[in-house]
Amino acid sequence: DQQVKQNSPSLSVQEGRISILNCDYTNSMFDYFLWYKKYPAEGPTFLISISSIKDKNEDGRFTVFLNKSAKHLSLHIVPSQPGDSAVYFCAGSNGGGFKTIFGAGTRLFVKA
Amino acid sequence: EPEVTQTPSHQVTQMGQEVILRCVPISNHLYFYWYRQILGQKVEFLVSFYNNEISEKSEIFDDQFSVERPDGSNFTLKIRSTKLEDSAMYFCASRRQGGSGELFFGEGSRLTVL
Repeated sequence: DQQVKQNSPSLSVQEGRISILNCDYTNSMFDYFLWYKKYPAEGPTFLISISSIKDKNEDGRFTVFLNKSAKHLSLHIVPSQPGDSAVYFCAGSNGGGFKTIFGAGTRLFVKA
Repeated sequence: EPEVTQTPSHQVTQMGQEVILRCVPISNHLYFYWYRQILGQKVEFLVSFYNNEISEKSEIFDDQFSVERPDGSNFTLKIRSTKLEDSAMYFCASRRQGGSGELFFGEGSRLTVL
């Protein structure tokens, strides 16, 4: 089941710079896309979401962009901080949210 | 802040034994989920539960798995006869009605099958 793909297993960024995490999807029926952050030995924590009818949603340092024609979304973190170092999961939700599908995750390292 | 709680945090069991993982979702949430993450792999959907019945399940959720909400607060995942490949971190999640489908996850229960 590869409905949500995160092709970069890891990303390393200098503190203060922008982090861009990418995600592709194949299921056109997703009505929301979500980003979750996960620290080791903890459950995923919701970060930000975007409706499939929008192309941008911003919350503080986090912005999610959606390109429906390309079936691609990205999460921008600016400025990146060492505390942002974690695994980031992209997810798609449909059918009233009965089934949320996660990508494989991208491990972000923010270097001080 | 309300949170999803899971017990046990870690369980070690012998192959073939039954295991029950327990979750207390956030009290006003209506949708409940189990996910699992095998070490180093993706977070995989197992099952969703709404209005006292399963609403969706994945191909992983075969006859060896069952879920129950026995008393209106707990939400349990039972594995009848564990296999080595069931070793994983199991996450319970819940969400409220509406919104973007934001899931609130517990800390997870690590299951080790020997």
